[in-house]
Amino acid sequence: GENVEQHPSTLSVQEGDSAVIKCTYSDSASNYFPWYKQELGKRPQLIIDIRSNVGEKKDQRIAVTLNKTAKHFSLHITETQPEDSAVYFCAAPDTGGFKTIFGAGTRLFVKA
Amino acid sequence: EAGVTQFPSHSVIEKGQTVTLRCDPISGHDNLYWYRRVMGKEIKFLLHFVKESKQDESGMPNNRFLAERTGGTYSTLKVQPAELEDSGVYFCASSPQGRNEQFFGPGTRLTVL
Repeated sequence: GENVEQHPSTLSVQEGDSAVIKCTYSDSASNYFPWYKQELGKRPQLIIDIRSNVGEKKDQRIAVTLNKTAKHFSLHITETQPEDSAVYFCAAPDTGGFKTIFGAGTRLFVKA
Repeated sequence: EAGVTQFPSHSVIEKGQTVTLRCDPISGHDNLYWYRRVMGKEIKFLLHFVKESKQDESGMPNNRFLAERTGGTYSTLKVQPAELEDSGVYFCASSPQGRNEQFFGPGTRLTVL
């Protein structure tokens, strides 16, 4: 089955700097890679996703890149703001596509 | 459009007791998922319903956990008897047929003492 590893577990940046979170996956057949943001005490929310037929997707200050050969994908947040502070999870579908496997999460702190 | 709702938001029970969690998915979403997050770790898959049918329950920890989705609408997750290691936040998510994006509920924080 799919295995998703996420790094780093904690990331602290200064407001205005960029933040990068990386994930690797094991199943080469995986074709959909979402990123979720979970603010303290709230529900996880999808912030961006990418399918395996593209290498990069951008939405304002956030972008996701995918390297299918290396089986890794990354979340990039530019011009970070204090409200970006949260736990971010990457995910990938398990073999067969019905089950979603999440990474362990990255706690991002943006210092004002 | 109302989002995914879960009840209760918090539950504190003693070891050996029974607890039932409820999830109401977004109306019309055929897919319903249950997840658990324990002690700040990853969000771990428990099971997946398509309408009223269990599509995949490979993530259910053991037979103390029972999930149902009568009529293909809301779902319940019962833990009986609860053990200390069952503590965590239980999330429900739903998605429309044929779509990957999952919409999460606010979660139920379960504490077993």
